[in-house]
Amino acid sequence: NAGVTQTPKFQVLKTGQSMTLQCAQDMNHEYMSWYRQDPGMGLRLIHYSVGAGITDQGEVPNGYNVSRSTTEDFPLRLLSAAPSQTSVYFCASSYSGTFSGNTIYFGEGSWLTVV
Amino acid sequence: AQSVTQLDSQVPVFEEAPVELRCNYSSSVSVYLFWYVQYPNQGLQLLLKYLSGSTLVKGINGFEAEFNKSQTSFHLRKPSVHISDTAEYFCAVSEKGAQKLVFGQGTRLTINP
Repeated sequence: NAGVTQTPKFQVLKTGQSMTLQCAQDMNHEYMSWYRQDPGMGLRLIHYSVGAGITDQGEVPNGYNVSRSTTEDFPLRLLSAAPSQTSVYFCASSYSGTFSGNTIYFGEGSWLTVV
Repeated sequence: AQSVTQLDSQVPVFEEAPVELRCNYSSSVSVYLFWYVQYPNQGLQLLLKYLSGSTLVKGINGFEAEFNKSQTSFHLRKPSVHISDTAEYFCAVSEKGAQKLVFGQGTRLTINP
């Protein structure tokens, strides 16, 4: 019963370092997305993908890159970390996207601190 | 563009009391509406969703929500809360045809014994 798996759970980065947050799902979901959660701001969409090879920007894409080479994996890359990227990151997946009202399933989150 | 406003950032209630968490949305088209719950240090899980049909939607853990199109609201209710309901609750909206789920700012529900 893995569902949506995120790694690492906790990470501390120095300003300017790069890293990749990993996300994998075993439900054969076409739709995957990344959100960031900040106090008082709810969850904001960073990037999303409706299938392998297809990605698009969400509300706050600057500073982040994504790719979708397989249905199962959707990594989020920070090329040059900034303190403003300190946040909790959630990966989520859904059978076919939100436009049909499908439930979105969330991972347990990755806590990232940039110093 | 769609948006969601949760009218209370924090709601303290006593155990076994009723609770209502308020959510208003803005959209020019038909929408799907969701409530998610986040327990401490965990991801989000779906409480309930409104897609179409009956405006009163029942979810898990005794929660229900009512869709009011004229007031563009989707308030969450529970008649009697328990300590275990302590969590943050998020309202979310998706416009039909869109591929994005937009969240409100969250409401922290604290249950006092």
